Amino acid sequence: KNEVEQSPQNLTAQEGEFITINCSYSVGISALHWLQQHPGGGIVSLFMLSSGKKKHGRLIATINIQEKHSSLHITASHPRDSAVYICAVTLGAQKLVFGQGTRLTINP
Amino acid sequence: ETGVTQTPRHLVMGMTNKKSLKCEQHLGHNAMYWYKQSAKKPLELMFVYSLEERVENNSVPSRFSPECPNSSHLFLHLHTLQPEDSALYLCASSQAGYGYTFGSGTRLTVV
Repeated sequence: KNEVEQSPQNLTAQEGEFITINCSYSVGISALHWLQQHPGGGIVSLFMLSSGKKKHGRLIATINIQEKHSSLHITASHPRDSAVYICAVTLGAQKLVFGQGTRLTINP
Repeated sequence: ETGVTQTPRHLVMGMTNKKSLKCEQHLGHNAMYWYKQSAKKPLELMFVYSLEERVENNSVPSRFSPECPNSSHLFLHLHTLQPEDSALYLCASSQAGYGYTFGSGTRLTVV
């Protein structure tokens, strides 16, 4: 069992829908990251958080340390949001452990 | 561009070849990483360099050999690879307490 589990693995929605991607982890962490990977492979860091909630544009990330759970929300989704979203946790000083990713497709 | 540049973007090599992947960052970060992403598997950490010293070698076969000549450059030297080593190889950098910046990756195919 992976230390970081994401759900769903695949998600297809219509433009405009509110999107939620979930991440659960089983170990103590110093931070949690949400990453976006587009076709072609490059990865962009969206959020790094260790408590509470962060917002950037239409993206919102929350974390509940006690429940070892984080969510990534996308409001007013758009086809350009289609990508793989990856949850990763920082263990110790410099080790990142990744979830398997959620493939999001937003249809126009 | 994210600030972390990887070259080449694509590489096809035979099992007897020797090649190198290059990663460069000018973000002033003090740690650099190599990750491997195989099809349908999570990203896996291969190597970590902090202040130019290797601090983690995650049970990677010796046919992969990292080199960090300075804090801005990281190489991954490849020799006698196997077809199952075909994957996307991603470089990243970080500064303690801050997030990670990833390169665009090198898609490697071993034939």
